[in-house]
Amino acid sequence: DAGVIQSPRHEVTEMGQEVTLRCKPISGHNSLFWYRQTMMRGLELLIYFNNNVPIDDSGMPEDRFSAKMPNASFSTLKIQPSEPRDSAVYFCASSPPGRTTEAFFGQGTRLTVV
Amino acid sequence: AQSVTQLGSHVSVSEGALVLLRCNYSSSVPPYLFWYVQYPNQGLQLLLKYTTGATLVKGINGFEAEFKKSETSFHLTKPSAHMSDAAEYFCAVSGRSGGGADGLTFGKGTHLIIQP
Repeated sequence: DAGVIQSPRHEVTEMGQEVTLRCKPISGHNSLFWYRQTMMRGLELLIYFNNNVPIDDSGMPEDRFSAKMPNASFSTLKIQPSEPRDSAVYFCASSPPGRTTEAFFGQGTRLTVV
Repeated sequence: AQSVTQLGSHVSVSEGALVLLRCNYSSSVPPYLFWYVQYPNQGLQLLLKYTTGATLVKGINGFEAEFKKSETSFHLTKPSAHMSDAAEYFCAVSGRSGGGADGLTFGKGTHLIIQP
């Protein structure tokens, strides 16, 4: 299996622009998570889906952030408009069914907003 | 709600010495506990996990951790450090209060430095 695939690996954009991050979870996994990693705040859970349904989006920082999972093999995290403080590494992770399973992480997207 | 505290943002040990990375957690439900490792410019990789049963769990690369409920701790150890162990280590807790997966709450991470 190729693992969790995120694209792009790096993104540099100007403040005010829309940014879309993409994630393909591992086939057969039914839970998908978006995390953000910064030096100041560490790893934060933004949102997660179970069977394509958003379960908890309490970690989404503000309305500029939105996430979708239109099917079991694809998810997006969108920031519109982007701001410099959104600069971070964004990780997508997926888990197979079951309560004791761990999350498998993608390699992340490094976002820089200038 | 859950929280994780990792004592020491940086830990330095000599090659061949014992590695001890400390993790304390807080959870309102029986916790599931995890240690992940992150190498530079990489995603996180699972080292080991505790869910139920035996409190001493063994993971990859010679690491192990012991769940101590009375101390709310889940410290990570390795008897003999290797240069390749240099990385960032994260402790995480999941409440797993319902069916299916739940999001992880991570500690701030501990940067492990191995001295030759």
